[in-house]
Amino acid sequence: EDQVTQSPEALRLQEGESSSLNCSYTVSGLRGLFWYRQDPGKGPEFLFTLYSAGEEKEKERLKATLTKKESFLHITAPKPEDSATYLCAVQAGGYSSASKIIFGSGTRLSIRP
Amino acid sequence: DTGVSQDPRHKITKRGQNVTFRCDPISEHNRLYWYRQTLGQGPEFLTYFQNEAQLEKSRLLSDRFSAERPKGSFSTLEIQRTEQGDSAMYLCASSFSPRGYEQYFGPGTRLTVT
Repeated sequence: EDQVTQSPEALRLQEGESSSLNCSYTVSGLRGLFWYRQDPGKGPEFLFTLYSAGEEKEKERLKATLTKKESFLHITAPKPEDSATYLCAVQAGGYSSASKIIFGSGTRLSIRP
Repeated sequence: DTGVSQDPRHKITKRGQNVTFRCDPISEHNRLYWYRQTLGQGPEFLTYFQNEAQLEKSRLLSDRFSAERPKGSFSTLEIQRTEQGDSAMYLCASSFSPRGYEQYFGPGTRLTVT
């Protein structure tokens, strides 16, 4: 069964304390892996797409990496405004198979000033 | 480009009533998706349109749920005979297929069934 698991469920860091969030997946035929940021009461905001193992993407203090079994979202010197839930999703199966877009449960990140 | 919009943002209804939500995607996006999200969980896929054609529906989408996308523009999601278990955030997303799979989400409609 296709599955996406994110860890930890929650992470509290001090401002400036770097860390990583994990997204492990077991899917048949990965087409893409996505990271989103979601603030309370709002829809997810697109961050990155990764298509193949070894690929990396960066945006400000965030860097996403991908292997054949997992993805990491590295947060360098975070600030309180980085506090949010970070969601990982995978597109599996055929290109037109939208039902194969599977989200993880997210990691709630809290950055203390 | 003002992004994906959804209306209403909040809806409180009594059990057994029908509700309808609207989603306006980003104008050039040909794909439109509906998701449901409950507290502490990621979005769950409900249904998907490419232009006006509804191509896929999740097993989660019971007969009480119906979605339309007339003329391939805005979409509506209707829930008939609402139940308390329908209480959730309903999210709409759109994408433009040649650019890849990334989806752009609206702010969601929070449904509370009392």
